[in-house]
Amino acid sequence: DAGVIQSPRHEVTEMGQEVTLRCKPISGHDYLFWYRQTMMRGLELLIYFNNNVPIDDSGMPEDRFSAKMPNASFSTLKIQPSEPRDSAVYFCASSLWGGELFFGSGTQLSVL
Amino acid sequence: GIQVEQSPPDLILQEGANSTLRCNFSDSVNNLQWFHQNPWGQLINLFYIPSGTKQNGRLSATTVATERYSLLYISSSQTTDSGVYFCAGGLVGTYKYIFGTGTRLKVLA
Repeated sequence: DAGVIQSPRHEVTEMGQEVTLRCKPISGHDYLFWYRQTMMRGLELLIYFNNNVPIDDSGMPEDRFSAKMPNASFSTLKIQPSEPRDSAVYFCASSLWGGELFFGSGTQLSVL
Repeated sequence: GIQVEQSPPDLILQEGANSTLRCNFSDSVNNLQWFHQNPWGQLINLFYIPSGTKQNGRLSATTVATERYSLLYISSSQTTDSGVYFCAGGLVGTYKYIFGTGTRLKVLA
């Protein structure tokens, strides 16, 4: 299996621009998670889906953040408008039946 | 909310040394896992260990769920073991995995 695939690997944008991060989970996995990693806050869970349905989005920092999972093989995390404090590494992970997590390589986001 | 404490926060070892990393949870968790974040930022699965003991080469892990802690043992450390080690557990009744703050390990040649 190819594992969890995220794109892009790096994203540099200017404040106020829209940013879209993409994730393809491992085939057959029914849970998908979005995490953010910063030096100050470590690894934070933003939102997770089960069978494409958002289950808990309490970690989404504010309304500028949104996530969708239109089908079992694709999810997006969108930030609009982006701000410098959104700079972080964003990870996507998937699991089967909510068990062992498998992470993608992450997207390094820099908002100038 | 639940607190996940990892110790020590930082560790420097000479190549060949052994070490024990600890993860304490303030409340019960499910599906405890250990990860290694390598210097390139990748999160590598080490163990999925809700309870009991597992071994994989030079690494082993033990989780005592009733006492809310887990231990990761690294024997005969190598420079490639450097990086940050995270534990994570799922909140009971949910699939929200909460991560510890990590142990930063540096192994010197």
